Amino acid sequence: QKEVEQDPGPLSVPEGAIVSLNCTYSNSAFQYFMWYRQYSRKGPELLMYTYSSGNKEDGRFTAQVDKSSKYISLFIRDSQPSDSATYLCAMSGQGAQKLVFGQGTRLTINP
Amino acid sequence: DTGVSQNPRHKITKRGQNVTFRCDPISEHNRLYWYRQTLGQGPEFLTYFQNEAQLEKSRLLSDRFSAERPKGSFSTLEIQRTEQGDSAMYLCASSFAGGIYNEQFFGPGTRLTVL
Repeated sequence: QKEVEQDPGPLSVPEGAIVSLNCTYSNSAFQYFMWYRQYSRKGPELLMYTYSSGNKEDGRFTAQVDKSSKYISLFIRDSQPSDSATYLCAMSGQGAQKLVFGQGTRLTINP
Repeated sequence: DTGVSQNPRHKITKRGQNVTFRCDPISEHNRLYWYRQTLGQGPEFLTYFQNEAQLEKSRLLSDRFSAERPKGSFSTLEIQRTEQGDSAMYLCASSFAGGIYNEQFFGPGTRLTVL
C-alpha cells in the first residue's frame, strides 16, 4: 500500500463548478501538507501548504487537513479552463526533507 | 528568471550510454532535491543536499546514479549505463533551510528517453 493515495481521475467538470480533490495517507508522522499544480510536460508549481490540521484559503483555493482521518482536500471555487492540470498532493514529516507525493489527479475544466 | 533551472530540457540516449543533468537552484536556497517522475505518477524522491553535503539518498538511487553539488550551488545528476527503465522526467527542487514549511520549488525538469 502506498503511503499517499490519490484518485488519478480523470475528473472533468464544467466551468464555474466547485472542484474537490482529495488524498488519504497512512503515515501519522506527516505534519506538512502541500498541493502542487502541474501542467503537461512542466514541473510542479506550489499552490498551497498547510501545517497540521485546519483550513487555509487563498483566493479561489481552499486546503483542508483532517489529521484524525488522515485525509486532505483541495477545493477550487469558480473553476476556470486555465485550472485544467494535474493536481498533486504532497506531504512530509517533522524534520524530514523528502516530500511524498500522491499519484496526481488529472482535472479538466470544460468551457 | 529567478526560478529553478534545469538543463537540458530533453535528452534522448541509447541504452548503455552515460548522461548528466544539471540543476541551478534559486540563489538563496541552500537545500536542493532530485526527484524522478514517470508517466501518470507523482514525483518520487531520489536525494537531497544541504549546501554541498548529500544528506539522504533513496533506495531508488542505484549504484548507476550519482549526484553532486560541489560548491553548494548547482548540482549534477549522472546516470551511468542507462537502461530503458530510466526513461522518466528528472525534477530538481530547492528550498530554504530556514523556511517553516519546507516549501520546495521545482524546476521544469529534464525528460530522459532511453532507446
